[in-house]
Amino acid sequence: DTEVTQTPKHLVMGMTNKKSLKCEQHMGHRAMYWYKQKAKKPPELMFVYSYEKLSINESVPSRFSPECPNSSLLNLHLHALQPEDSALYLCASSPETSGGYNEQFFGPGTRLTVL
Amino acid sequence: AQSVAQPEDQVNVAEGNPLTVKCTYSVSGNPYLFWYVQYPNRGLQFLLKYITGDNLVKGSYGFEAEFNKSQTSFHLKKPSALVSDSALYFCAVRAPYQAGTALIFGKGTTLSVSS
Repeated sequence: DTEVTQTPKHLVMGMTNKKSLKCEQHMGHRAMYWYKQKAKKPPELMFVYSYEKLSINESVPSRFSPECPNSSLLNLHLHALQPEDSALYLCASSPETSGGYNEQFFGPGTRLTVL
Repeated sequence: AQSVAQPEDQVNVAEGNPLTVKCTYSVSGNPYLFWYVQYPNRGLQFLLKYITGDNLVKGSYGFEAEFNKSQTSFHLKKPSALVSDSALYFCAVRAPYQAGTALIFGKGTTLSVSS
């Protein structure tokens, strides 16, 4: 299985809602990433988990809360989002973070719309 | 600081003609370089990477890229373009041995192949 899956594909939420995005991989990768991508722009790194521990938080607002329950799963909990948070949220994984030569495998993304 | 430049927002080619998508980088030491492609409303797909060794790297779907250290470039090429190659292409870089870091992406180049 060489796939990163993300659910849901689409999500519409109000500014007072709480929702979660889910990402899963079964490639044995020990690094997992959350990116935010606006239309026709490059992905922007949000969080990196290495061996299930948060290793990088790119100064992301606290209304985004990541969680890594185990080595295969990555969640992004959303609360009190703003309309400008509407974007494609991409999850990625890679075999390891040290060395840096491994490519990342991306999921198809969750298209989030905040009303 | 590491950075990647993709000087063209859009590249237009006719089907059957060769294509080049340009990328230059700035990083300390020998870089790890990657190309990704993104189709509309999809995640990023890995095309190829340069780590070390032969400057000409072959990747998926007939794409190749040439690493040029003196010009700090890593241009993506294909001998004969297909309409189905039309997509958004991202060049990315990571400095070696940067544990826990993610990719630094260029701004992206939209490739349009006409029939």
